Amino acid sequence: EIVLTQSPGTLSLSPGERATLSCRASQSVSSSYLAWYQQKPGQAPRLLIYGASSRATGIPDRFSGSGSGTDFTLTINRLEPEDFAVYYCQQYGSSPYTFGQGTKLEIK
Amino acid sequence: QVQLQESGPGLVKPSETLSLTCAVSGYSISNGYYWGWVRQPPGKGLEWIGSIYHSGITYYNPSLKSRVTILVDTSKNQFSLKLSSVTAADTAIYYCARVSGSQGFQHWGQGALVTVSS
Repeated sequence: EIVLTQSPGTLSLSPGERATLSCRASQSVSSSYLAWYQQKPGQAPRLLIYGASSRATGIPDRFSGSGSGTDFTLTINRLEPEDFAVYYCQQYGSSPYTFGQGTKLEIK
Repeated sequence: QVQLQESGPGLVKPSETLSLTCAVSGYSISNGYYWGWVRQPPGKGLEWIGSIYHSGITYYNPSLKSRVTILVDTSKNQFSLKLSSVTAADTAIYYCARVSGSQGFQHWGQGALVTVSS
């Protein structure tokens, strides 16, 4: 099973700043099948990024993903108030599909 | 657009079987994709339970495999989850989702809270 470790656990930033979230895998993620999801309180997760760097439909271009192998990054430029949420990475290249423990992005 | 909606009992007794259904609209399950279940204990992270293809091929999380059954009913355009011998540790919000092999979990239901308690 591939274990995903996200850092930091909590990130405190102000609107307009840039957020950099990290996801490290215990072994190489097959074909960069790495996704990022955003979850707000009381809501289901929403797909942001798939294939490590492709934005899902309707996702603003201030969200970008990068990385390969075992190290992946989600970058959010010019934070908007609606971006403050919990973010999860997930690998879907090998079963069992696994999620990171999440990074909470909070308003400073 | 694709919409998914979970339904089922919100309260299940310990040792009994949890049963949920996910109704899909805006897309025919028979046309493809995998369809999956993910759960989230209150205040905690996400756990993949399993997925099913429209043909009935299933993939389960080994941690739950002995207790999980996922079925698809293409005539009703829905799929279902059964989790047997539940305990309090199975209390969670259960989400259904459409799964793309290349694009991850694209569409999610709103989630159904299931509490295991006597």
